[in-house]
Amino acid sequence: EVQLLESGGGLVQPGGSLRLSCVASGFSFSSYAMSWVRQAPGKGLEWVSVVSGTGDYTYYADSVKGRFTISRDNSKNTVYLQMNSLRAEDTAVYYCAKRSLLVGGEFDYWGQGTLVTVSS
Amino acid sequence: EIVMTQSPATLSVSPGKRATLSCRASQSVTINLAWYQQKPGQAPRLLIYGASTRATGIPARISGSGSGTEFTLTISSLQSEDFAVYYCQQYNNWPLTFGGGTKVEI
Repeated sequence: EVQLLESGGGLVQPGGSLRLSCVASGFSFSSYAMSWVRQAPGKGLEWVSVVSGTGDYTYYADSVKGRFTISRDNSKNTVYLQMNSLRAEDTAVYYCAKRSLLVGGEFDYWGQGTLVTVSS
Repeated sequence: EIVMTQSPATLSVSPGKRATLSCRASQSVTINLAWYQQKPGQAPRLLIYGASTRATGIPARISGSGSGTEFTLTISSLQSEDFAVYYCQQYNNWPLTFGGGTKVEI
């Protein structure tokens, strides 16, 4: 059974940093791209970032480019999202999502999400 | 950026009736289109990928169609568990983009 478990969310002041983690199990982790998708309170889904299965390519939404960094440790079956220079508009539930292919594809499994609140 | 537009924003349907949800892309995404269902307090769940292929465990009453810029999700006979918000998403081009969602309510 595929499982994705996010952690690391919480309350942070504007300009602060957080590091989210997502531990995966139930599949060959290094064979699939992994993404972060967020959802602001009462709003729709917004794709944030993706990292390929081997970790050799990453891509970001314009809204987070230069502030967020995605990475993965295939030895630990874990994907990370380092979030710096946080803004109020980054407040959201952050979901870890597995893609169906090494590089692309749809999001076939999702974690339950971790809430990030940016507020003073 | 490819803009995904879903209509209607809210769809009121009685149990047992058919629901038809639309998704339009601002440019062609070929068949690289997925549909997700989200219930309150839950993560999204994949329903359809490749515009028309049902994901594992998705019942046959849920179907997808379309290609290029026009897509449809059809639920042939609404069950109580189908009342939720539905999102389309294109994965043909960067950045990956979602539609704004359609809420299916009683």
